[in-house]
Amino acid sequence: KQEVTQIPAALSVPEGENLVLNCSFTDSAIYNLQWFRQDPGKGLTSLLLIQSSQREQTSGRLNASLDKSSGRSTLYIAASQPGDSATYLCAVRGGGGADGLTFGKGTHLIIQP
Amino acid sequence: DGGITQSPKYLFRKEGQNVTLSCEQNLNHDAMYWYRQDPGQGLRLIYYSQIVNDFQKGDIAEGYSVSREKKESFPLTVTSAQKNPTAFYLCASREGRHTDTQYFGPGTRLTVL
Repeated sequence: KQEVTQIPAALSVPEGENLVLNCSFTDSAIYNLQWFRQDPGKGLTSLLLIQSSQREQTSGRLNASLDKSSGRSTLYIAASQPGDSATYLCAVRGGGGADGLTFGKGTHLIIQP
Repeated sequence: DGGITQSPKYLFRKEGQNVTLSCEQNLNHDAMYWYRQDPGQGLRLIYYSQIVNDFQKGDIAEGYSVSREKKESFPLTVTSAQKNPTAFYLCASREGRHTDTQYFGPGTRLTVL
């Protein structure tokens, strides 16, 4: 059964720093990996999706990488801002015919002004 | 505005009662999903549907039921057989032909009194 782990569980950094969030998964036979952001009491906002054949995706100050063979992904946030404060979730879609995502528990990020 | 709507935002239920959560999308997406989120845990897949009149169980389907009579709608019924229904419920959809990104609704918080 696929398991997704996110490290660290919580992170607090001063504004302006670059930071890296980590995600690992136990079964490398994935179809894709998606990073989301969740604000308190809200739904999820999709940030980046990486297909299994891709190595990285970029959107603005965000860069996500994927190393499928080692079961790892990282989300890099450049020049962090207080508005980046949220919980960041990593999720994988398994290979084969199954649908739906398997999620990690998230990294709770606080950017100090 | 295109998007996913969930209603109600907050729902209170007495033990032993069935309750139905609404999920509607006007994105013309083929696939729809229901997830449950509990504090300190990742989202878990309840049910999903890839096409009208067809749906599949996810990881935690016991005590829940769904229907998919229309492409736009995927209601979730929480039955009295669900032992611990208090949670945050999130609906999602995916276009499927050109993108695998899942888009989420704002969620319904269900509390059993």
